[in-house]
This record gives sequence, C-alpha cells and structure tokens, in this order.
Amino acid sequence: DIVLTQSPATLSLSPGERATLSCWASHSVSTYLAWYQQKPGQAPRLLIYGASNRATGIPARFSGRGSGTAFTLTISSLEPEDFAVYYCQQSWAFGQGTKVEMK
Amino acid sequence: QVELVESGGTLVKPGGSLRLSCAASGFSFSDYYMSWVRQAPGKGLEWVSYIGSSGDSIYYTDSVKGRFTISRDNARNSLDLQMSSLRVEDTAVYYCARLSFEAFDIWGQGTMVIVSS
Repeated sequence: DIVLTQSPATLSLSPGERATLSCWASHSVSTYLAWYQQKPGQAPRLLIYGASNRATGIPARFSGRGSGTAFTLTISSLEPEDFAVYYCQQSWAFGQGTKVEMK
Repeated sequence: QVELVESGGTLVKPGGSLRLSCAASGFSFSDYYMSWVRQAPGKGLEWVSYIGSSGDSIYYTDSVKGRFTISRDNARNSLDLQMSSLRVEDTAVYYCARLSFEAFDIWGQGTMVIVSS
C-alpha cells in the first residue's frame, strides 16, 4: 500500500508570502497525485489533479509539480482565504496534512 | 449545479448499525465512480470505500471490511453506505465524493456519525 508523507506539518507565513508544501510517496505514482484544501467545518476542495492540473475555478496562484515520488504544491502569494489545511492524495491514500497558518 | 448531499448520520451505540445516503444531482451519476471518505474529529482524511460506475467494482479499507457495505442506485442517483458492528473508532464525519481522473473532484457537506455508549 502506498504511504504519503507531507512536510512540514505546519507552515507559518504572512499574507503575500510564498508557500511551498511537499508530499512524498513511498513508491512511484507517476503523476497520479491530487491536492486538496480544507477549511474548518468545510468539506475538502480539489485544487490540483494529475500532479499539475488546476481544478475548475482554482486561482492561478496555486500550482503543483512533481512526478514519481516527490511532489510540491506552491501558493505563489498567500491570500487571507488560503490559510487552511492541505492534503495530498493518491489512489486510496491521503497524506496527513499540512496546516498553513498565519504568522 | 453539481451537488452531493449526505444524510443519515446520528448517534449510535457500539455494535449498532446505520445507513448513510448520498443524493447526487447536476451530473450523469451513472458515469462516475463514487466513494466514501471519513474524517475523525481533529484528524485527517481517510478513504473508506469506493464503487464503480455500474456497481461492479467495490473496494473497502481494511478497517471496515466485513462491516460496511457500499451500494448505489443509478436510477435514483443515490449512493449508500450500510454500516454495522460500529465501533467507537468509526466516529467521524462521512463524506460522499465523486471520483474523476483519480481525484475526488466533488464532495458533499458531510454527515456526522458518533459511536458512543
């Protein structure tokens, strides 16, 4: 079974700063990786699928890259609404999440 | 618009049973794999089960095998999760989610299941 490991657990940044989140897979998943954003009390929202494809309606400041076992989600310039928990997912596995909090 | 609406969550005693439902609208339900994903209080996301578009392919995470049964009715655009022998550790928000390009692209708002004596 695949295991996804996200780092860091928490990222403390200010609005306008760049956020870089990492997700490592225990074995190669090609580009079959997705990223989600979840805010308190809300369902997750798909941001990125296929490692680098933005889902419908997702702003261009969100970008994903990677293949094989190493993936990144980048938020180029944090907006106040971007402070949330982010999960990566491949097949039936989710990472443990990275919380992006306001410094 | 595309929407998934879950129902059926409640407080149930350990060993009890519960049936969750998910009503789909705004898309061709029978074209998509569907899944249940849960989230225990304060924890991360955990995939529970999925079912193929025609109901032929079904998989469960190990911790619910033999206790949970996923099913769908394409004529009614509905997805169900029959849960039995419930344990305290099954306490979670249960989300219905649509699968597309190997990602969960549409999620319901979730329904809370609390297993407690």
